[in-house]
Amino acid sequence: QITLKESGPTLVKPTQTLTLTCTFSGFSLSTSGVGVGWIRQPPGKALEWLALIYWDDDKRYRPSLKSRLTIIKDTSKNQVVLRMTNMDPVDTATYYCGHYGWLFHFDYWGQGTLVTVSS
Amino acid sequence: QTVVTQEPSFSVSPGGTVTLTCGLSSGSVSISYYPSWYQQTPGQAPRTLIHSTFTRSSGVPDRFSGSILGNKAALTITGAQADDESDYYCLLYMGSGIWVFGGGTKLTVL
Repeated sequence: QITLKESGPTLVKPTQTLTLTCTFSGFSLSTSGVGVGWIRQPPGKALEWLALIYWDDDKRYRPSLKSRLTIIKDTSKNQVVLRMTNMDPVDTATYYCGHYGWLFHFDYWGQGTLVTVSS
Repeated sequence: QTVVTQEPSFSVSPGGTVTLTCGLSSGSVSISYYPSWYQQTPGQAPRTLIHSTFTRSSGVPDRFSGSILGNKAALTITGAQADDESDYYCLLYMGSGIWVFGGGTKLTVL
């Protein structure tokens, strides 16, 4: 079965770079049509799509955050990494990774990891 | 910038039927936006309910259904149960590899 799990720091300081890792099983990121995305949710607020990487290494980013985001994959390790630069307290959120199958949706989700930005 | 709109809150009686909608601040939602719906309870990850407007995800009861109503995507819950009390989010594919979530609807069952 498909599982995903996010890992990374729980606390980062303003201006620092956040690096999150999504480790998954049950599928391969070398399979045509497959992708892994990142979604975040500030406390008490709505979900927000951030980025997606496809099996062919095509990458898509939320336009308003594009300059701060980098998504990369390591197919051999079954991992996807998200980097977000210049972190600010407004970036405090639970960050989720999700499996993207065909038809434009996320069908499996990780449990999420809460990242707090504070000095 | 286009905003995806949802009712902030909705209430339904146990056993009742409720329809939540997902619209655009400018324009109409169609199947070309591949609307999907997610259920989330506090402290939990989202659960995928519906994708591609109508298709229920594996294991989702058939009392959840998706459609297009007028110029919006819709999620209808028929025979609401207490454990349907959750936040519901729609997600639209805007084209060019961009996805946008709606602001979510908090559903109360009482």
